[in-house]
Amino acid sequence: DSGVTQTPKHLITATGQRVTLRCSPRSGDLSVYWYQQSLDQGLQFLIQYYNGEERAKGNILERFSAQQFPDLHSELNLSSLELGDSALYFCASSPLSGGGADTQYFGPGTRLTVL
Amino acid sequence: AQSVTQLGSHVSVSEGALVLLRCNYSSSVPPYLFWYVQYPNQGLQLLLKYTSAATLVKGINGFEAEFKKSETSFHLTKPSAHMSDAAEYFCAVSVSNNAGNMLTFGGGTRLMVKP
Repeated sequence: DSGVTQTPKHLITATGQRVTLRCSPRSGDLSVYWYQQSLDQGLQFLIQYYNGEERAKGNILERFSAQQFPDLHSELNLSSLELGDSALYFCASSPLSGGGADTQYFGPGTRLTVL
Repeated sequence: AQSVTQLGSHVSVSEGALVLLRCNYSSSVPPYLFWYVQYPNQGLQLLLKYTSAATLVKGINGFEAEFKKSETSFHLTKPSAHMSDAAEYFCAVSVSNNAGNMLTFGGGTRLMVKP
């Protein structure tokens, strides 16, 4: 158990809908990261927040957005969902904001299925 | 920009045999390198990481990896495979900068262990 929690574990929805994925980081960690894992794209970095502020952005679609709240939990919002958004979404957390040696600890993931 | 290549999307070994999973990276600056393992229906668990302190890095569950700058490689090895090692393994690279801390993953290698 990494100490990172994600809810829900599974989510099934229809095209065009909007969903929110939630992540609670390890106690004391200030950075939260979101990754998408799909069969065709592999594991891809989406976005990083540090202490409430966006820190780094990866291959995140404009239909997706994220935020980190004062209690440091984070939410990833996915809207106008398409079939291709079906994937496993991971949240990770780390103590610091940058520095490549900062270890990221991963949650169990949320499996999103868009029908 | 950095990238990671994992040679062999599937590797099969017999129980008790040597495990060798290959990882080559590309980075314009000194990299930090990680190996993560993913068991079915679970998140990613850190096996080990290279942070320039020592080129031979020992991790959990008997795994180790050697950083070879001249070959831009960070191969993962274990002297004797166990059935419980069957999982997917990901090599990842990170660089230190002030713009955040994203991991770039390889495509993954699925390790199968035969009895």
